[in-house]
Amino acid sequence: GDSVTQMEGPVTLSEEAFLTINCTYTATGYPSLFWYVQYPGEGLQLLLKATKADDKGSNKGFEATYRKETTSFHLEKGSVQVSDSAVYFCALRDSSASKIIFGSGTRLSIRP
Amino acid sequence: GAVVSQHPSWVICKSGTSVKIECRSLDFQATTMFWYRQFPKQSLMLMATSNEGSKATYEQGVEKDKFLINHASLTLSTLTVTSAHPEDSSFYICSARADGTDTEAFFGQGTRLTVV
Repeated sequence: GDSVTQMEGPVTLSEEAFLTINCTYTATGYPSLFWYVQYPGEGLQLLLKATKADDKGSNKGFEATYRKETTSFHLEKGSVQVSDSAVYFCALRDSSASKIIFGSGTRLSIRP
Repeated sequence: GAVVSQHPSWVICKSGTSVKIECRSLDFQATTMFWYRQFPKQSLMLMATSNEGSKATYEQGVEKDKFLINHASLTLSTLTVTSAHPEDSSFYICSARADGTDTEAFFGQGTRLTVV
């Protein structure tokens, strides 16, 4: 079945460092790909998405490119801030299904 | 974006009692709603998918008699944890999306259930 694998955390970085969180997926068909962010004690918020190969999703300085050839959707940010500390989930939604499948989540902590 | 409101945000109940969690879409009609369960420091596990006016579809391993889901209107779905036990303590999150092939799903803020 469909699945999402993302790098295990926790990830700890200093402010203004470069961030990469790896995500790969397995799916039949042509899924849509998402990154969600969860701040402490809150539900999930959609951070960015891409619906087809080579699309780049971007929001709040974060970017991720849908790479079909490597089945990847890595999340990047050039300069992280303390306020980016949260748990990040990579996810997919298959083109034939309505449900979203999540990766295990990566906890990110940014030091001032 | 659209707003999904979940209530209550936290609840403590005694073993053996039932707890109802509400999920409302405030500014759109949610044809489909999803209920997830999240254990500490783990990912979201889909429990069930519900479509307005029909029975929920439960994921494998989820007891439908224990986790009762009702989606009686296009703006409200409820999850009732019946005869709760301490192992049911968890963070429950709902998600709602409107009709359409590529519509976004919006998430509630979650409900932390503690069974004592």
